[in-house]
Amino acid sequence: GDSVTQMEGPVTLSEEAFLTINCTYTATGYPSLFWYVQYPGEGLQLLLKATKADDKGSNKGFEATYRKETTSFHLEKGSVQVSDSAVYFCALTLNYGGATNKLIFGTGTLLAVQP
Amino acid sequence: DAGITQSPRYKITETGRQVTLMCHQTWSHSYMFWYRQDLGHGLRLIYYSAAADITDKGEVPDGYVVSRSKTENFPLTLESATRSQTSVYFCASSESTGFAEAFFGQGTRLTVV
Repeated sequence: GDSVTQMEGPVTLSEEAFLTINCTYTATGYPSLFWYVQYPGEGLQLLLKATKADDKGSNKGFEATYRKETTSFHLEKGSVQVSDSAVYFCALTLNYGGATNKLIFGTGTLLAVQP
Repeated sequence: DAGITQSPRYKITETGRQVTLMCHQTWSHSYMFWYRQDLGHGLRLIYYSAAADITDKGEVPDGYVVSRSKTENFPLTLESATRSQTSVYFCASSESTGFAEAFFGQGTRLTVV
């Protein structure tokens, strides 16, 4: 079935380090891809998205490129800050025909940034 | 207030009791979703709804019931709570296209004792 796989955490980095969180997907059609972020005690909020192959989503210094050939959507940031500490979720949506529009998540990756 | 709100934020209930988690959104979004978040499993889809009076099962629907008589409300009922249903529950809504961002509530932390 359709699914999202992302790297296990936790990921612990020092401030200003480079971040990569890997995400790959399996989908029967052409999904839209998303990264959501969850700060402690809060709900999820959209970080960035890409709707077709080779699109690059970007926001707050984070970037991810939709790679159809490798079915990947890896999250990167050049210099992380303590305030980036959160759980990051990779997700996809597919139109299954009719009125369906499921949003499927990976298991989440905890990022801890130390000063 | 505009947005998506869940109530209650915290709930403790006993095994076997019925409990309803409420979700209300003010945007008139077509789609609404219920997820549960558990350590090691991420977010798993329980039920979703494409419009009022249209609901469908997600990945883990057993033990849960939903209804959607109005576009803005999507309550989730645990018919007979079990300890395995102890979790954090998130409601979300989105517009009707697959490209649309989903907006999440703050979550309800449910403990079944």
